[in-house]
Amino acid sequence: GQQVMQIPQYQHVQEGEDFTTYCNSSTTLSNIQWYKQRPGGHPVFLIQLVKSGEVKKQKRLTFQFGEAKKNSSLHITATQTTDVGTYFCAGRNNDMRFGAGTRLTVKP
Amino acid sequence: DAGVTQSPTHLIKTRGQQVTLRCSPKSGHDTVSWYQQALGQGPQFIFQYYEEEERQRGNFPDRFSGHQFPNYSSELNVNALLLGDSALYLCASSLMGANTGELFFGEGSRLTVL
Repeated sequence: GQQVMQIPQYQHVQEGEDFTTYCNSSTTLSNIQWYKQRPGGHPVFLIQLVKSGEVKKQKRLTFQFGEAKKNSSLHITATQTTDVGTYFCAGRNNDMRFGAGTRLTVKP
Repeated sequence: DAGVTQSPTHLIKTRGQQVTLRCSPKSGHDTVSWYQQALGQGPQFIFQYYEEEERQRGNFPDRFSGHQFPNYSSELNVNALLLGDSALYLCASSLMGANTGELFFGEGSRLTVL
């Protein structure tokens, strides 16, 4: 069945450093979504990518969808303490499958 | 505009018992998906309901069942609880056929099985 793998599992950065999380699917996806979950909270939608090779930006966040529509990445430039949380990718084939997430901690 | 609401927020059960969790989707949404999130893990897809029918199902045993009502609200039932069923159960609502396909999550129901 469809599997979505995400790395790294944890990332600890100094405030101002960049951060990247990577997502890989065992199958070709129709689209991929990214969510952020703050500690003790629930996942909140960030963005959806649909097209092969698509790149979208939201302020300091850059999202990419691979050419083969099997991988994706999220890059945060100059992290801030407000970026703390777990970032999940979720790939859609028939249903929406989530990766295990990358937990980001930021040291002020 | 109410978002996704889930109840109860916390509950404790013992092995072998049964539990029912409830979800009201965001206003205007017609599809409800249920996820199980163990501590430190990503949400695992249980099943999705649309038009009062189970449309898709993840790798969960038959002990996990659900229902969707005409008002689009949904229930998740788990029978014969095991210790490993302890988790945060998330309900996510969406609108079938919408371009974004964005899932709106509730705050979850945290189940502890002793």
